[in-house]
Amino acid sequence: EPEVTQTPSHQVTQMGQEVILRCVPISNHLYFYWYRQILGQKVEFLVSFYNNEISEKSEIFDDQFSVERPDGSNFTLKIRSTKLEDSAMYFCASSAREPSTDTQYFGPGTRLTVL
Amino acid sequence: GNSVTQMEGPVTLSEEAFLTINCTYTATGYPSLFWYVQYPGEGLQLLLKATKADDKGSNKGFEATYRKETTSFHLEKGSVQVSDSAVYFCALSDPHTGGFKTIFGAGTRLFVKA
Repeated sequence: EPEVTQTPSHQVTQMGQEVILRCVPISNHLYFYWYRQILGQKVEFLVSFYNNEISEKSEIFDDQFSVERPDGSNFTLKIRSTKLEDSAMYFCASSAREPSTDTQYFGPGTRLTVL
Repeated sequence: GNSVTQMEGPVTLSEEAFLTINCTYTATGYPSLFWYVQYPGEGLQLLLKATKADDKGSNKGFEATYRKETTSFHLEKGSVQVSDSAVYFCALSDPHTGGFKTIFGAGTRLFVKA
């Protein structure tokens, strides 16, 4: 069964550094998402991406965050200058259609630790 | 705005016990409702879903019915197994507010003892 993959599985970085989290969505999917889960807390929506542009973003997704689909297969989340509170598990997801009508498939996550 | 509220955990049950995890929602439109499961060290997997009122989603012995009148989507299983130990998330996606995101509840951790 096709699956969403994410790399790396764990990223450790110093506060103020830039990080790029990578995702390979399922190949025929058109909608892409990033969510995060701070340890022990709920899963929070960050951003959705369709047709090469952001379709929706949350208040968490400020100017420090950006997303890109650089080559038609990867989908990346960049955090420009990491803060301690960015430490979380970041999940990528994809769907063939919008999530209200279609299943979102989630990757295994990247655990980001900011020191 | 839209939101999901689910019962706090952890829930601890013995094998073969009956499981109910309560979930209620607030939405401006008619959302699709989901239950996701997260096994230890893994990502989120869709367990079941329902897209309109009175629909029943079911999978792996779990089921939940979309109740518009009580704005609820409670998860049930008749006989739990140790392998069901995981965190369960109730979630919604509302096409009337764009439908480009899923809103999750806080999650309920389930422990099943042998």
